[in-house]
Amino acid sequence: IAGITQAPTSQILAAGRRMTLRCTQDMRHNAMYWYRQDLGLGLRLIHYSNTAGTTGKGEVPDGYSVSRANTDDFPLTLASAVPSQTSVYFCASSASYSGNEQFFGPGTRLTVL
Amino acid sequence: GQNIDQPTEMTATEGAIVQINCTYQTSGFNGLFWYQQHAGEAPTFLSYNVLDGLEEKGRFSSFLSRSKGYSYLLLKELQMKDSASYLCAVLDSNYQLIWGAGTKLIIKP
Repeated sequence: IAGITQAPTSQILAAGRRMTLRCTQDMRHNAMYWYRQDLGLGLRLIHYSNTAGTTGKGEVPDGYSVSRANTDDFPLTLASAVPSQTSVYFCASSASYSGNEQFFGPGTRLTVL
Repeated sequence: GQNIDQPTEMTATEGAIVQINCTYQTSGFNGLFWYQQHAGEAPTFLSYNVLDGLEEKGRFSSFLSRSKGYSYLLLKELQMKDSASYLCAVLDSNYQLIWGAGTKLIIKP
């Protein structure tokens, strides 16, 4: 692994289904983030984690949950997917939360029907 | 509320210079970032300004005026590969990045 990876690359999901998007980084970064990107809108923060064992809510957390059991992994779960969650999801990491550049994974394109 | 404004789209000619502006109103300020995002790809870091003034990095420069809530990204000697979206983002008082919607830059030969 080099950098930050996400899986799956893309997914089509029926409404009401549960889905976990995976994110792994090998840079030993303390902070990790989940964003969604929709056409015409800026990236919006869903959840973040400043360090392993802690998580926080971003701008649009409803319908999503995260966990940070270790430094490397930061999965995002949609408990019961709805069509408005159709989006491109980016995971990112940074050495710390206070001003370091964020490195982004390649993204997951999710369609909820 | 918090707001980041940048033009939706700009067009420039290969070899020319283009300036992409960004104005912001945020709760606190801990730095401003510029990212480049090619279509279908992830954003990649270009520059970070936390103090007023110009930061130069090769063909790209970024300027910040905290008193005016204003930044610009200057791209010189434009190449076709510079066709991309350019995202402005401000780190607010909670150390969360607030993102603009991005400026799509189209380079014409």
